[in-house]
Formats: sequence, structure tokens, C-alpha cells
Amino acid sequence: RKEVEQDPGPFNVPEGATVAFNCTYSNSASQSFFWYRQDCRKEPKLLMSVYSSGNEDGRFTAQLNRASQYISLLIRDSKLSDSATYLCVVNRGSGTYKYIFGTGTRLKVLA
Amino acid sequence: DAGVIQSPRHEVTEMGQEVTLRCKPISGHNSLFWYRQTMMRGLELLIYFNNNVPIDDSGMPEDRFSAKMPNASFSTLKIQPSEPRDSAVYFCASSDRAGADTQYFGPGTRLTVL
Repeated sequence: RKEVEQDPGPFNVPEGATVAFNCTYSNSASQSFFWYRQDCRKEPKLLMSVYSSGNEDGRFTAQLNRASQYISLLIRDSKLSDSATYLCVVNRGSGTYKYIFGTGTRLKVLA
Repeated sequence: DAGVIQSPRHEVTEMGQEVTLRCKPISGHNSLFWYRQTMMRGLELLIYFNNNVPIDDSGMPEDRFSAKMPNASFSTLKIQPSEPRDSAVYFCASSDRAGADTQYFGPGTRLTVL
């Protein structure tokens, strides 16, 4: 079983739709969680960190469920420019450098 | 501000040849990471440097891979000899401290080994 698992998609949604992705992790000692965005043939870039209390940044909301060991990303009012691959990232332990990346969920927002 | 710089952006080589990938981290960052990305395995950490010292190279596939960081502004990843299965995108990333929220990635080097 992979340490971080994501549905690869693609998720094809119309503009304006709401879409949600989940990501599960297997290491219960994981401390930090992030969503990165990767455009086609580009480098990954931090989208947002995921806090225990959940956090929101504009149209994006991230949630953490430690009991079930998953994190989620919700995108409201999807834009064409949201089309990308979304990578779930888990840091194995406090103060460690070892980020484990999921293989990503591909989103296509259609006009 | 300049981000992480990598060169070359693309490299096509023949099996058995030596390949050297280069990275310049963001000035002031003391942590540097080399990753490899493939469709099948996603992003994998190859090696991590902190203050120019290799801390963890457990992700380096085998002895054909080596990495150095002679100073705070330069790192290399070398593959010798290269094999077709090494074909991937190699990313360098830096952060201002280990475990920091944000790793800043370079544009990557797309390596093709024929």
C-alpha cells in the first residue's frame, strides 16, 4: 500500500462547479499536510497547507481528518485556470524533511 | 527574486553516457532536495542536503547516482552510466529550513536516455 494515495482522475467538471478531492495517508505519525498544484510540464507549487482546524483560501478549502487519516481539497466555482494536477503531500514527522508526495489528481475544468 | 534555477532544461543522451544535472537554490535557503518524477511512481525524494551536507540519500536508486553540494549556491546530480529507466523529470527544490511548509521547486530537467 502506498503511503499517500490519491484518485488519479481525471475529474472533468464544468466551469462554476464544485469539486472535491480526497487523499489518504497510512502513517499515523504524520504531522504536516499540504496541497501542491502542478501544471502540465511545470514544477509543483504550494497551493495551501492543511491545518487541523481546516482552512480556507478564497475558493479553496482544505480539511484534515486524523481519525480516518485523510485530507481533502474542495474547490468552489471552478475556473478554467484551475485545470491542473493536485498533489497531496504529507510530512512524516515533526521537524522532518521527508515529504511524501501522492501521485496526484488531475482536474480538467471545461468551458 | 530568482527562483530555483536548474540546467539543462532538457537532456537527451544515449545509454551508458554520463549525465550531470545542475541546481542553484534560492539565495539564503539552507535545505536542498533532489526529486525524480515519473508517471508510474510520482515524485520521489532522491537526496536531501542541509547546510551543504548530505543528510539522507536513501532515495538514491543505486550507485550510478551521486549528488554533491560544494557550496550553498550550487548542487549537482550525476548519473553514470545512464540507463533508459533513468528517463524522468528531475526536480531540485529548496526551503529555508528543514520541515518548512514551502519547498520551492525549480523548473526541472527532462531527461531522456535512449
